[in-house]
Amino acid sequence: RKEVEQDPGPFNVPEGATVAFNCTYSNSASQSFFWYRQDCRKEPKLLMSVYSSGNEDGRFTAQLNRASQYISLLIRDSKLSDSATYLCVVTSTGNQFYFGTGTSLTVIP
Amino acid sequence: ETGVTQTPRHLVMGMTNKKSLKCEQHLGHNAMYWYKQSAKKPLELMFVYNFKEQTENNSVPSRFSPECPNSSHLFLHLHTLQPEDSALYLCASSSPDRSPYNEQFFGPGTRLTVL
Repeated sequence: RKEVEQDPGPFNVPEGATVAFNCTYSNSASQSFFWYRQDCRKEPKLLMSVYSSGNEDGRFTAQLNRASQYISLLIRDSKLSDSATYLCVVTSTGNQFYFGTGTSLTVIP
Repeated sequence: ETGVTQTPRHLVMGMTNKKSLKCEQHLGHNAMYWYKQSAKKPLELMFVYNFKEQTENNSVPSRFSPECPNSSHLFLHLHTLQPEDSALYLCASSSPDRSPYNEQFFGPGTRLTVL
């Protein structure tokens, strides 16, 4: 079983739509959780850390459910510039990072 | 310079060449990583260094040889590569001791083409 699993998509949504991505992880001892964004042919960039209490940054909301071992990312009022691949990342020990395969999002005008 | 830098940004090499990729981080982190990303594929972890010591080697062929002289610098030495090694090579750094604030920061990558 993979450490981290994501729906690869693609998700094609109209501008202004709300879209949600989920990610499940297999190790209940996982410690840190992140969402990264990767544009085509570029490096991944940190979008948000995910904390147990959930956190929000503008149009983006991240949630962690430890009991069910999943994390989610909600994007409200989608913009064309949100088109990218969104990577779910989970760490077990301090420097073991497990990346999901990514979920592709295209926001359509 | 800030963040994580990588040189060169693009590299074309023949199968018999020897070249090196360089990564430098200016974030005060103590762990550094090499990843490979082939076209439209997920990231593949290659090597992990923690405080200059290699802590992970994900069954990477010996034609890839990492070197970490200090916590800020990481090299990947390339020798007799194959065309299937063509990919984006990404370097990252983090501070494992700052968990849960131990996110990785990536360099811009080296796009490698092996002819």
